[in-house]
Amino acid sequence: GESVGLHLPTLSVQEGDNSIINCAYSNSASDYFIWYKQESGKGPQFIIDIRSNMDKRQGQRVTVLLNKTVKHLSLQIAATQPGDSAVYFCAEPTAGGTSYGKLTFGQGTILTVHP
Amino acid sequence: KAGVTQTPRYLIKTRGQQVTLSCSPISGHRSVSWYQQTPGQGLQFLFEYFSETQRNKGNFPGRFSGRQFSNSRSEMNVSTLELGDSALYLCASSPQPTSQPQHFGDGTRLSIL
Repeated sequence: GESVGLHLPTLSVQEGDNSIINCAYSNSASDYFIWYKQESGKGPQFIIDIRSNMDKRQGQRVTVLLNKTVKHLSLQIAATQPGDSAVYFCAEPTAGGTSYGKLTFGQGTILTVHP
Repeated sequence: KAGVTQTPRYLIKTRGQQVTLSCSPISGHRSVSWYQQTPGQGLQFLFEYFSETQRNKGNFPGRFSGRQFSNSRSEMNVSTLELGDSALYLCASSPQPTSQPQHFGDGTRLSIL
């Protein structure tokens, strides 16, 4: 769906906790989803992606879960560290499969990790 | 390998002026997309270019335009600047339009006075 961005959800955790960031998407035909991390003053940085034929994908300390039934994505960060503090965005391509160069972003979630 | 490079990093303009922003994609990447990021609207897609051709365009007025050169570098232009054009403009690149994922630069922060 369209990114609104005015009042971003926030998540505050203690260092070492696990974090879960959620995202709802609107296009049931989407076949690919991406999570980006954006630190202050920088552009979005790719974290992990998942194709629609998968339910789960794991990376280093991160796991993405996809529930196509309810059109929901989640990003799990294990043993969260202060360096994980950032805004996290989910994104999906919205050019009908002809291109992955047109992304629609979620509104973002601000993650704050306290030492 | 160098990442996506955007110049300038910061720019201050006044209403009515025009501005040109530049993006150099990662070496070997031929697909370039532009996004506008504001606190009120979040990240919104502007354009996508591949092989010097615009493939997709977002829902922005005609004052926003772009182009891509034969070396894959891209520029975007905004004419008759308005206060609401103040934003972070981000460029992303990938090898081809069907390549995943896009990799972003750190953006150009445009402020309109």
